[in-house]
Amino acid sequence: GDSVTQMEGPVTLSEEAFLTINCTYTATGYPSLFWYVQYPGEGLQLLLKATKADDKGSNKGFEATYRKETTSFHLEKGSVQVSDSAVYFCALFDSGGYQKVTFGTGTKLQVIP
Amino acid sequence: DTAVSQTPKYLVTQMGNDKSIKCEQNLGHDTMYWYKQDSKKFLKIMFSYNNKELIINETVPNRFSPKSPDKAHLNLHINSLELGDSAVYFCASSHRLGGSNYGYTFGSGTRLTVV
Repeated sequence: GDSVTQMEGPVTLSEEAFLTINCTYTATGYPSLFWYVQYPGEGLQLLLKATKADDKGSNKGFEATYRKETTSFHLEKGSVQVSDSAVYFCALFDSGGYQKVTFGTGTKLQVIP
Repeated sequence: DTAVSQTPKYLVTQMGNDKSIKCEQNLGHDTMYWYKQDSKKFLKIMFSYNNKELIINETVPNRFSPKSPDKAHLNLHINSLELGDSAVYFCASSHRLGGSNYGYTFGSGTRLTVV
């Protein structure tokens, strides 16, 4: 079945540091890939997405590239801010399967001033 | 303006009680979902409805019963609450089942505490 594996957190970075959160997936078909962000006390918000191989999703300075050869969708940001502190979820939608979204376990990011 | 709204935001109740959580979306989506998030932030899908029809019913105790009076509403009723039901419950909606390429829109969650 479909699965998403994320790096374990928490990840603690200083402001302006470079961020990478790793995400790899297993899917039967050709999934769409997403990153969601959850700020403290809130629901998940869609951060970015990529629908096919080699697509790059980007939003608010975050980027992720759909790598079919390595089945990965790593999230990156060149310079994090304190306001980026949140939990980040990688997810996939496999239209060929059960037609549901599979979420990773989340990675907590804490950015310190 | 709220796209997916859940009520209540917080719910504290005693073991054995019956409670309901309501969800409404004004996005015109035809699919709605309930997710449970545990203390480690793990998200587990519970149910999904497409045009008022139950599509996904994961392994959830039958004390949990969803009801969808119309495609803009999906309520969750929980009977005989147990300590292990304490979690944050999220409602979400999407165009089409699974969200296709557009993803989900989530509500802000209901934090349920069973004492």
